[in-house]
Amino acid sequence: QSALTQPRSVSGSPGQSVTISCTGTSSDVGGYNYVSWYQHHPGKAPKFMIYDVSKRPSGVPDRFSGSKSGNTASLTISGLQAEDEADYYCCSYAGSYTWVFGGGTKVTVL
Amino acid sequence: EEQLVESGGGLVKPGGSLRLSCSASGFTFRSYNMNWVRQAPGKGLEWVSSISSTSSYIYYTDSLKGRFTISRDNAKNSLYLQMNSLRAEDTAVYYCARDRGFGEFDFWGQGTLVTVSS
Repeated sequence: QSALTQPRSVSGSPGQSVTISCTGTSSDVGGYNYVSWYQHHPGKAPKFMIYDVSKRPSGVPDRFSGSKSGNTASLTISGLQAEDEADYYCCSYAGSYTWVFGGGTKVTVL
Repeated sequence: EEQLVESGGGLVKPGGSLRLSCSASGFTFRSYNMNWVRQAPGKGLEWVSSISSTSSYIYYTDSLKGRFTISRDNAKNSLYLQMNSLRAEDTAVYYCARDRGFGEFDFWGQGTLVTVSS
Protein backbone atom coordinates (compact mmCIF):
# COMPACT_ATOMS: atom_id res chain seq x y z
CA GLN A 1 0.00 0.00 0.00
CA SER A 2 2.22 2.81 -1.24
CA ALA A 3 0.93 6.35 -0.88
CA LEU A 4 -0.58 7.93 -3.95
CA THR A 5 1.61 10.56 -5.61
CA GLN A 6 0.55 14.20 -5.45
CA PRO A 7 2.55 17.35 -6.26
CA ARG A 8 3.83 18.93 -3.08
CA SER A 9 2.41 22.32 -3.96
CA VAL A 10 0.42 24.25 -6.51
CA SER A 11 -0.43 27.93 -6.58
CA GLY A 12 -2.67 30.35 -8.35
CA SER A 13 -4.05 33.85 -8.18
CA PRO A 14 -7.58 34.57 -7.02
CA GLY A 15 -10.05 33.71 -9.77
CA GLN A 16 -7.68 31.34 -11.55
CA SER A 17 -7.98 27.56 -11.75
CA VAL A 18 -5.59 25.02 -10.30
CA THR A 19 -5.49 21.27 -10.81
CA ILE A 20 -4.03 18.75 -8.39
CA SER A 21 -3.05 15.36 -9.73
CA CYS A 22 -3.14 12.10 -7.79
CA THR A 23 -1.28 9.21 -9.38
CA GLY A 24 -1.61 5.63 -8.31
CA THR A 25 -1.62 2.26 -9.99
CA SER A 26 -4.07 -0.14 -11.57
CA SER A 27 -4.47 -1.66 -8.09
CA ASP A 28 -5.97 1.48 -6.64
CA VAL A 29 -6.86 4.64 -8.60
CA GLY A 30 -6.93 2.91 -11.96
CA GLY A 31 -8.85 -0.12 -10.78
CA TYR A 32 -11.82 1.47 -9.02
CA ASN A 33 -14.02 4.54 -9.18
CA TYR A 34 -13.66 5.13 -5.45
CA VAL A 35 -11.49 8.22 -5.30
CA SER A 36 -12.24 10.91 -2.76
CA TRP A 37 -10.67 14.25 -1.93
CA TYR A 38 -10.24 16.09 1.36
CA GLN A 39 -9.39 19.66 2.25
CA HIS A 40 -7.30 20.10 5.37
CA HIS A 41 -6.53 23.31 7.12
CA PRO A 42 -3.71 22.50 9.60
CA GLY A 43 -4.98 22.07 13.11
CA LYS A 44 -8.53 21.44 11.96
CA ALA A 45 -10.52 18.41 10.96
CA PRO A 46 -10.23 17.39 7.29
CA LYS A 47 -13.22 18.27 5.15
CA PHE A 48 -14.88 15.88 2.68
CA MET A 49 -14.86 17.48 -0.79
CA ILE A 50 -15.31 14.87 -3.55
CA TYR A 51 -16.30 11.19 -3.64
CA ASP A 52 -16.65 8.51 -6.30
CA VAL A 53 -14.12 10.42 -8.45
CA SER A 54 -16.35 13.33 -9.37
CA LYS A 55 -19.36 13.63 -7.04
CA ARG A 56 -19.71 16.58 -4.70
CA PRO A 57 -21.28 16.22 -1.26
CA SER A 58 -23.95 18.76 -0.47
CA GLY A 59 -22.51 22.07 0.65
CA VAL A 60 -19.30 21.82 -1.37
CA PRO A 61 -19.10 24.65 -3.92
CA ASP A 62 -19.26 23.63 -7.58
CA ARG A 63 -15.90 25.33 -8.02
CA PHE A 64 -14.48 22.00 -6.90
CA SER A 65 -14.56 19.19 -9.44
CA GLY A 66 -12.96 15.79 -9.77
CA SER A 67 -12.03 13.55 -12.65
CA LYS A 68 -9.96 10.49 -13.46
CA SER A 69 -8.01 9.16 -16.41
CA GLY A 70 -6.27 5.84 -16.14
CA ASN A 71 -4.22 5.69 -12.96
CA THR A 72 -4.42 9.44 -12.31
CA ALA A 73 -7.22 11.31 -10.57
CA SER A 74 -7.44 15.07 -10.51
CA LEU A 75 -9.07 17.78 -8.42
CA THR A 76 -9.69 21.12 -10.08
CA ILE A 77 -10.48 24.27 -8.17
CA SER A 78 -11.97 26.92 -10.42
CA GLY A 79 -12.32 30.56 -9.46
CA LEU A 80 -9.72 30.20 -6.74
CA GLN A 81 -10.55 32.01 -3.50
CA ALA A 82 -8.42 32.93 -0.51
CA GLU A 83 -10.22 30.43 1.71
CA ASP A 84 -9.22 27.61 -0.64
CA GLU A 85 -5.65 27.86 0.64
CA ALA A 86 -5.14 24.54 2.42
CA ASP A 87 -3.69 21.07 2.04
CA TYR A 88 -5.58 18.67 -0.21
CA TYR A 89 -5.46 14.90 -0.06
CA CYS A 90 -6.73 12.26 -2.45
CA CYS A 91 -7.79 8.84 -1.26
CA SER A 92 -8.47 5.69 -3.23
CA TYR A 93 -9.82 2.23 -2.56
CA ALA A 94 -6.90 -0.19 -2.76
CA GLY A 95 -8.72 -3.51 -2.66
CA SER A 96 -9.43 -5.89 0.22
CA TYR A 97 -11.34 -3.14 2.03
CA THR A 98 -8.25 -0.98 2.47
CA TRP A 99 -7.69 2.63 1.56
CA VAL A 100 -4.65 4.64 0.52
CA PHE A 101 -4.15 8.39 0.72
CA GLY A 102 -1.92 10.67 -1.28
CA GLY A 103 0.97 12.58 0.21
CA GLY A 104 -0.95 15.83 0.10
CA THR A 105 -0.72 19.03 -1.94
CA LYS A 106 -0.43 22.50 -0.48
CA VAL A 107 -2.53 25.00 -2.42
CA THR A 108 -1.32 28.58 -2.15
CA VAL A 109 -3.45 31.51 -3.24
CA LEU A 110 -1.08 34.20 -4.43
CA GLU B 1 -24.57 19.10 16.12
CA GLU B 2 -22.51 16.18 14.92
CA GLN B 3 -19.29 15.72 16.85
CA LEU B 4 -16.36 13.33 16.97
CA VAL B 5 -13.94 13.92 19.83
CA GLU B 6 -10.74 11.92 20.10
CA SER B 7 -8.89 11.46 23.38
CA GLY B 8 -6.19 9.31 24.93
CA GLY B 9 -3.16 10.61 23.09
CA GLY B 10 0.06 11.51 24.83
CA LEU B 11 3.73 10.71 25.27
CA VAL B 12 4.67 7.04 25.48
CA LYS B 13 7.98 5.22 25.39
CA PRO B 14 8.90 2.86 22.55
CA GLY B 15 7.39 -0.53 23.20
CA GLY B 16 4.60 0.96 25.26
CA SER B 17 0.85 0.90 24.78
CA LEU B 18 -1.89 3.46 24.46
CA ARG B 19 -5.65 3.31 23.96
CA LEU B 20 -7.31 6.01 21.93
CA SER B 21 -11.00 6.80 22.19
CA CYS B 22 -13.36 8.64 19.89
CA SER B 23 -16.65 9.82 21.34
CA ALA B 24 -19.48 10.45 18.89
CA SER B 25 -22.55 12.61 19.33
CA GLY B 26 -25.23 14.26 17.24
CA PHE B 27 -25.77 11.31 14.89
CA THR B 28 -26.72 7.63 14.99
CA PHE B 29 -23.26 6.20 15.65
CA ARG B 30 -24.35 2.56 15.34
CA SER B 31 -25.37 3.13 11.71
CA TYR B 32 -21.92 4.01 10.43
CA ASN B 33 -18.67 2.26 9.65
CA MET B 34 -15.81 4.07 11.38
CA ASN B 35 -12.12 4.55 10.68
CA TRP B 36 -8.85 5.69 12.19
CA VAL B 37 -6.58 7.82 10.02
CA ARG B 38 -3.24 9.23 11.15
CA GLN B 39 -0.88 11.97 10.08
CA ALA B 40 2.78 11.84 11.07
CA PRO B 41 4.58 15.18 11.49
CA GLY B 42 5.20 16.76 8.11
CA LYS B 43 3.61 13.81 6.31
CA GLY B 44 0.34 13.04 4.59
CA LEU B 45 -2.71 11.24 5.84
CA GLU B 46 -2.52 7.48 6.29
CA TRP B 47 -5.52 5.19 6.64
CA VAL B 48 -5.00 2.94 9.66
CA SER B 49 -8.08 0.80 10.25
CA SER B 50 -11.81 0.47 9.74
CA ILE B 51 -14.64 -1.26 11.58
CA SER B 52 -18.14 -1.93 10.33
CA SER B 53 -21.22 -0.65 12.11
CA THR B 54 -21.78 -3.93 13.98
CA SER B 55 -18.07 -4.78 14.41
CA SER B 56 -18.50 -7.72 12.05
CA TYR B 57 -15.81 -6.55 9.66
CA ILE B 58 -12.46 -5.12 10.67
CA TYR B 59 -9.55 -4.15 8.45
CA TYR B 60 -6.06 -2.76 8.99
CA THR B 61 -3.30 -1.29 6.91
CA ASP B 62 -0.65 -3.93 6.25
CA SER B 63 2.17 -2.03 7.94
CA LEU B 64 0.71 -2.41 11.44
CA LYS B 65 1.59 -6.10 11.63
CA GLY B 66 -1.01 -6.86 14.26
CA ARG B 67 0.07 -4.24 16.79
CA PHE B 68 -3.16 -2.21 16.73
CA THR B 69 -6.73 -3.31 17.50
CA ILE B 70 -9.82 -1.33 16.55
CA SER B 71 -13.09 -1.78 18.43
CA ARG B 72 -16.31 0.05 19.16
CA ASP B 73 -19.08 0.19 21.74
CA ASN B 74 -22.31 1.30 20.11
CA ALA B 75 -24.05 1.59 23.48
CA LYS B 76 -21.46 4.18 24.47
CA ASN B 77 -21.21 5.80 21.03
CA SER B 78 -17.48 5.23 21.13
CA LEU B 79 -14.70 4.02 18.88
CA TYR B 80 -11.37 2.77 20.19
CA LEU B 81 -7.86 2.03 18.99
CA GLN B 82 -5.63 -0.11 21.19
CA MET B 83 -2.03 0.47 20.20
CA ASN B 84 0.67 -1.91 21.43
CA SER B 85 4.43 -2.23 20.84
CA LEU B 86 4.54 1.40 19.82
CA ARG B 87 7.41 2.65 17.68
CA ALA B 88 8.76 6.11 16.92
CA GLU B 89 7.17 5.90 13.47
CA ASP B 90 3.73 5.67 15.10
CA THR B 91 4.11 9.27 16.23
CA ALA B 92 1.22 11.09 14.61
CA VAL B 93 -2.06 12.88 15.05
CA TYR B 94 -4.75 10.21 15.05
CA TYR B 95 -8.17 11.11 13.62
CA CYS B 96 -11.39 9.16 13.79
CA ALA B 97 -13.48 9.48 10.66
CA ARG B 98 -17.01 8.45 9.83
CA ASP B 99 -17.68 6.60 6.56
CA ARG B 100 -21.11 7.39 5.17
CA GLY B 101 -20.77 5.05 2.22
CA PHE B 102 -17.78 3.29 0.69
CA GLY B 103 -14.68 5.34 1.41
CA GLU B 104 -16.72 8.49 1.89
CA PHE B 105 -15.06 9.84 5.04
CA ASP B 106 -17.57 12.59 5.52
CA PHE B 107 -16.93 13.65 9.10
CA TRP B 108 -13.70 13.79 11.09
CA GLY B 109 -12.65 14.63 14.60
CA GLN B 110 -9.97 17.18 15.45
CA GLY B 111 -7.43 14.48 16.22
CA THR B 112 -5.31 13.43 19.19
CA LEU B 113 -1.51 13.53 19.19
CA VAL B 114 0.47 10.41 19.99
CA THR B 115 4.19 10.87 20.55
CA VAL B 116 6.42 7.81 20.88
CA SER B 117 9.77 8.81 22.30
CA SER B 118 12.19 7.78 25.02
